[in-house]
Amino acid sequence: DTAVSQTPKYLVTQMGNDKSIKCEQNLGHDTMYWYKQDSKKFLKIMFSYNNKELIINETVPNRFSPKSPDKAHLNLHINSLELGDSAVYFCASSQPGGETQYFGPGTRLLVL
Amino acid sequence: GDSVTQMEGPVTLSEEAFLTINCTYTATGYPSLFWYVQYPGEGLQLLLKATKADDKGSNKGFEATYRKETTSFHLEKGSVQVSDSAVYFCALSDFAASGGGADGLTFGKGTHLIIQP
Repeated sequence: DTAVSQTPKYLVTQMGNDKSIKCEQNLGHDTMYWYKQDSKKFLKIMFSYNNKELIINETVPNRFSPKSPDKAHLNLHINSLELGDSAVYFCASSQPGGETQYFGPGTRLLVL
Repeated sequence: GDSVTQMEGPVTLSEEAFLTINCTYTATGYPSLFWYVQYPGEGLQLLLKATKADDKGSNKGFEATYRKETTSFHLEKGSVQVSDSAVYFCALSDFAASGGGADGLTFGKGTHLIIQP
């Protein structure tokens, strides 16, 4: 059973398009996250959601918006894609309180 | 703000060599510390963790001890294998500094480990 899953695994699109990445966790966790990994492998938190409430929003452009239809899902919507958005995006989940985060397999986004 | 500093690679070792990957941190609260591993083309997997000073996390022959006095969490393994080749990330979660709410992990830049047969 996959704990944290993401779709799609690969996403190739043109500049200016709008795209979404889906994330689902079956661990019963209360908190979900999105991270961006750049070409140098550096990982940075983008968002976290706890009980449908946005907890963190780092310096991320407002073209990025997380949407959580329920506790098990946190989807990432990206409007007006730019070349610099090309990266690997990871979803993760945990219980709050500094507990271990479990990561999805990642979505490799390439903007042409 | 919080930060994690780890040695940047690539680190190249021969099979059965001793491994140390250094990691130091700065945090405003009392963080939990983690090592994650990313194998080629895959997502991140938790390797080990420690939640308080002097705790030792261990898994698959890897160990790391939470040293509050030196703000360090160095990763060690006595005898590495080719299958250990991966990128290793040191990370912290500063729950107390977040005011008790959920918080993301702060990662180091990753250390690419290459083990040669």
